[in-house]
Parts: sequence; structure tokens; C-alpha cells
Amino acid sequence: ETGVTQTPRHLVMGMTNKKSLKCEQHLGHNAMYWYKQSAKKPLELMFVYNFKEQTENNSVPSRFSPECPNSSHLFLHLHTLQPEDSALYLCASSQVGGGELNYGYTFGSGTRLTVV
Amino acid sequence: AQTVTQSQPEMSVQEAETVTLSCTYDTSESDYYLFWYKQPPSRQMILVIRQEAYKQQNATENRFSVNFQKAAKSFSLKISDSQLGDAAMYFCAYRRNSGYALNFGKGTSLLVTP
Repeated sequence: ETGVTQTPRHLVMGMTNKKSLKCEQHLGHNAMYWYKQSAKKPLELMFVYNFKEQTENNSVPSRFSPECPNSSHLFLHLHTLQPEDSALYLCASSQVGGGELNYGYTFGSGTRLTVV
Repeated sequence: AQTVTQSQPEMSVQEAETVTLSCTYDTSESDYYLFWYKQPPSRQMILVIRQEAYKQQNATENRFSVNFQKAAKSFSLKISDSQLGDAAMYFCAYRRNSGYALNFGKGTSLLVTP
């Protein structure tokens, strides 16, 4: 058990489909993140949620829609994606504030997304 | 914006030998954190070591140590007594003190040969 669980592990979807990625953290953290990992490129931060509130949206296209119903769960809703959206999508969590130093993230194992 | 550069796309080391992975970063901040993450084929990013910019002493975690040169904005990772299980992608990352985001380099693929 990694502490951060992502499902599904693999996903193949057509450009007209709608699907959702799920992330759950069991660490009691209060911040969660979506990252996109493409080949030959640095990890790209997509969204940040702190205490369920979205605090960053790094110019992500509207075909990606995040949802954070509580501090333990994070979703990424996908619709009308493009082939260039194929990538590994990583979820992470961390503890922010409360007098604790936020050193780094705990990552999940990612969802490998292929858009056909 | 902060950028992180890893100039070595691939590195190779023999088992039991030592290897150093390079990382440089660009920032105008004085207070920040630096990290090395390991990503094995299982895909999960695992924190290897971290360094606070205000600390002059280099961080060490067992066989892993860093050479942090703040003025040069350099943060290299040294792996001693390399093991087959060390084979993975290694990512250098930066986070400013007041921010949430981790900024990553493109990574270095480390191959460990018997």
C-alpha cells in the first residue's frame, strides 16, 4: 500500500469518450495534485487542491476537469481528448501548513492513458 | 519561473561502484527546497533525498548523498555502492518555500550493470 492509490492503472479511450481518473490518499494530507508525465518532457503540474479548494490551474485545457470532493479524494474528468493527451497521469499528496514543513510529495503509481 | 536542468539523459554504473547525477536550477529565491526522486518501472515516484536551501550541510541518506552548491545553483546526487535495485529514472525537483508546486527536471535514466 503506497498511501496514494490511483485507478485505473491503464486506460484506453477514444477521442469522443468521457472517462474519469481517481486518486485516493490514506495519509491524512490536506493537499493533492495532478501531474502529467510525457516522454522526454519534465513532469507538468496540472492542478493543485489545498483543503479541497483549487489553488492552481496551470493553463490546462478545459477538456480536463478536476474534482476534489474531500481532502482524501481527487478526480480528473476527461472528455474529448486528443492523441497528444496520451501520457502518464500522476496524483500526489502532501501536508501543508499547521506548523509542519512541507518537504515533498507522496505519489501514486499513475494512470497510463492512451487516446486513440 | 524556476527551471530545473538535468544534463545527463542516461548514465551507467557498475554494481558496487559510485555514480553522480547532475542537476542545476534557476531561481531568484533565497529560500527553497530541493529533492531527488526515483521512478522505477513500477512508475511510482519515490523520494530519495531532500535538501533545505538554508542548510549548508549536505543531506545524506544511507548510500545517497548530495553536493549542494547554492551559489552555483547545483544539486548533484551521489549514489555509493550501487545496487541493481537502484536502476530507475531519477528526477531532480525544486520547490520554493512559499509555493506548492514541485518543478521537475527531465530526468536521468540510470542503468546498473552487474
